[in-house]
Amino acid sequence: KAGVTQTPRYLIKTRGQQVTLSCSPISGHRSVSWYQQTPGQGLQFLFEYFSETQRNKGNFPGRFSGRQFSNSRSEMNVSTLELGDSALYLCASSPGSDSQETQYFGPGTRLLVL
Amino acid sequence: QKEVEQDPGPLSVPEGAIVSLNCTYSNSAFQYFMWYRQYSRKGPELLMYTYSSGNKEDGRFTAQVDKSSKYISLFIRDSQPSDSATYLCASHPYSSASKIIFGSGTRLSIRP
Repeated sequence: KAGVTQTPRYLIKTRGQQVTLSCSPISGHRSVSWYQQTPGQGLQFLFEYFSETQRNKGNFPGRFSGRQFSNSRSEMNVSTLELGDSALYLCASSPGSDSQETQYFGPGTRLLVL
Repeated sequence: QKEVEQDPGPLSVPEGAIVSLNCTYSNSAFQYFMWYRQYSRKGPELLMYTYSSGNKEDGRFTAQVDKSSKYISLFIRDSQPSDSATYLCASHPYSSASKIIFGSGTRLSIRP
């Protein structure tokens, strides 16, 4: 099975712009979660989508949003970019139906905000 | 206080040594405990996944959870240079498998 894929792998933006990141989960997985990873804060949970609905949400401002399509692919959007949004954004997928299952991560999108 | 605390290291040991990586957590609701390995410029890769207290062994890796002291450990036997990576402990409560809380990661280097 192909793993989780994320596009683009690298991105440079300037403050105030917006950005959209894409994630394709493992085939058959219906849950997609997004995380932000920075040297200072580590890995932090952004949100989770399951069957096109946001099922869980972390403690990030409303500038961070996401959506999921009927084929389980997911996009994450960050509006009005700030310097502090520079990070590795990771997407993880799981089947989504069982609380005991775990997640499989993609390689991430590295975002640099100038 | 972070819900999962982990010494960031770096930790450097000679090849063949036994490595001990540790974390503590504060949330009593946490039931599932994981260790991920992350190589540079890659996403985290699941190494071990355990439920509640006890030990779990997989090859050279042993995960240990002590819920009474809220302590999580990962032991690596016969360490290899290819084990050099950042190791992240993580946990989540029974009710929220997706809302994983990660430790900050320990950077491990195995010297040949």
